[in-house]
Amino acid sequence: EVQLVQSGAEVRKPGESLKISCKGSGYKFTSYWIGWVRQMPGKGLEWMGIIYPGDSDTRYSPSVRGQVTISADKSISTAYLQWNSLKASDTAMYYCARHIPHSDSPTAIDSWGQGTQVIVSS
Amino acid sequence: DIQMTQSPSSVSASVGDRVTITCRASQGISSWLAWYQQKPGKAPKLLIYAASSLQSGVPSRFSGSGSGTDFTLTISSLQPEDFATYYCQQAASLPLTFGGGTKVQI
Repeated sequence: EVQLVQSGAEVRKPGESLKISCKGSGYKFTSYWIGWVRQMPGKGLEWMGIIYPGDSDTRYSPSVRGQVTISADKSISTAYLQWNSLKASDTAMYYCARHIPHSDSPTAIDSWGQGTQVIVSS
Repeated sequence: DIQMTQSPSSVSASVGDRVTITCRASQGISSWLAWYQQKPGKAPKLLIYAASSLQSGVPSRFSGSGSGTDFTLTISSLQPEDFATYYCQQAASLPLTFGGGTKVQI
């Protein structure tokens, strides 16, 4: 069974750093794109970016490029989403998401993590 | 970026009703479209991929159609567990983008 298990909820102050994680199991971690989707309170889904753990190829949405870093450690089948300086507007639920590959490109998301709530407040 | 526009933003329906949700892409995306269902406090769930392919385990009352720029998700006979928010997502080019969502409510 494919599972993506995310790290727990976080509360931080503006300006602080944070790294959340997503551990994959039940499949070959290096063969699927894994990405992050943001959902702000009461809002819709926003695709942030993606990494291919096999070769660390990473792509970002223009809306978050430079604001976050996506990485992966294939030795422990874990992907990460990192901020160096959080803002109040980063308050959201963050989901990791496994993408169905097609010809080396990511397509639909067939498996989701349970979500990590991030609250940024002074 | 490819913009995805869903309509309606919300729909009121009853158990047994046929419900249709539409999604329009700002440019042609062939059949690179997926549909997801999200219930409050839960992660989204894949219903349809490649515009019309039913994900394993998803009831057959859900169906998808369309290609190019116009797509449709149909629930043939609404069940109590189908009250949720539905999102379309294009997978033709990066960044992948979602529609704004359609809330199906009683």
